[in-house]
Amino acid sequence: SALTQPASVSGSPGQSITISCTGISDVGGYKSVYWYQQHPGKAPKLIIYDVTNRPSGVSIRFSGSKSGNTASLTISGLQAEDEADYFCNAYSTTNTHVVFGGGTKLTVL
Amino acid sequence: QVQLVQSGTEVKKPGASVNISCKASGYTFTRYYINWVRQAPGQGLEWMGIISPGDGSTSHAQKFQGRVTMTRDVSTSTVYMELSSLRSEDTAVYYCARETDGFDVWGQGTMVTVS
Repeated sequence: SALTQPASVSGSPGQSITISCTGISDVGGYKSVYWYQQHPGKAPKLIIYDVTNRPSGVSIRFSGSKSGNTASLTISGLQAEDEADYFCNAYSTTNTHVVFGGGTKLTVL
Repeated sequence: QVQLVQSGTEVKKPGASVNISCKASGYTFTRYYINWVRQAPGQGLEWMGIISPGDGSTSHAQKFQGRVTMTRDVSTSTVYMELSSLRSEDTAVYYCARETDGFDVWGQGTMVTVS
């Protein structure tokens, strides 16, 4: 993938975890960043758009940020229901095509 | 409510084509792009292409050049994605997704098995 994510992360209930997405570039690269949550056998769900924004209905425990060429998703106050796969994606500014990160499996211990 | 409903499971032989439909409801069909994304078993998400329901214009990932065709029928608020010359590596769940700011509404997915 053009966007790199860790294959897996884990945390205990109540803890915070951060998932990185590397390869984002504002210049001649990708614009904005989005994050999706996917539970097994389900369609992905948008949880962060435009780097930092949460769609209506998404828990405030989910937050997004970006620094340099790395975007991050932070989940605070981990809950069992957060165990899922998480994907970042971005739009290329050069051809308006979309790329996804390889995905990160979150395990809640 | 806003939803995208896709056609059902498909089983195809290598070399065949598959045509998947994605019917939109609950919003103005022509207002938002629809993307196609696929996911091979146990793998990540892969963007395939995008169609504008308004004017029918399309764009797709280079990987699918010559094999993917996306169309729409405004009268039924449905978009279609045809993938030809199927091979085993095309076995995947195929999703359509509405694009507003991000892919905010997804279809339920269509499993395509090439065997």
